[in-house]
Amino acid sequence: IAGITQAPTSQILAAGRRMTLRCTQDMRHNAMYWYRQDLGLGLRLIHYSNTAGTTGKGEVPDGYSVSRANTDDFPLTLASAVPSQTSVYFCASSVAGGYNEQFFGPGTRLTVL
Amino acid sequence: AQTVTQSQPEMSVQEAETVTLSCTYDTSESDYYLFWYKQPPSRQMILVIRQEAYKQQNATENRFSVNFQKAAKSFSLKISDSQLGDAAMYFCAYSTASGSRLTFGEGTQLTVNP
Repeated sequence: IAGITQAPTSQILAAGRRMTLRCTQDMRHNAMYWYRQDLGLGLRLIHYSNTAGTTGKGEVPDGYSVSRANTDDFPLTLASAVPSQTSVYFCASSVAGGYNEQFFGPGTRLTVL
Repeated sequence: AQTVTQSQPEMSVQEAETVTLSCTYDTSESDYYLFWYKQPPSRQMILVIRQEAYKQQNATENRFSVNFQKAAKSFSLKISDSQLGDAAMYFCAYSTASGSRLTFGEGTQLTVNP
């Protein structure tokens, strides 16, 4: 693994189904983030984690949950998907601190029908 | 809460020419950081340039430079000698000094014409 990976690359999901988006980084970054990207809205923060064992809510957390059991993994779960959760989801990681560059994964395109 | 606004949904430039992308933000903080990220069609997010608010000198990275006007809360990106590979969506982003969470603008789609 080099950098940050996400799985799956894309997914079509029926409304009401549960879905977990996976994110793994090998840079030993302490901070990790989940964003969703929607046309005309830019990227919006869903949840974040400043260090393993802690998580926090971002700008649009409703309908999503996260966990951070270790440094490398930060899965995002949609408990019961709705069509408004159709989006491109990006995971990112960084060394904690406002000036530090965030490194982004390749994104997951999720369609909820 | 902080907000970031990019008022130009689309911009175009001729190859080798210069283009400026606009960004304004709102914050009550005195110390913070500003960023420009580039997203080409591959969807990969790439850091272009960053600015520390307490530094008056504008950041420069090769053909990319910023015009940071703290009092006006403005942070524009200038791309000189535009190249076809500069075609992408550009996002302005803000981070507080203490945290790392980014607040993004809506994005500006840049087209480079040959």
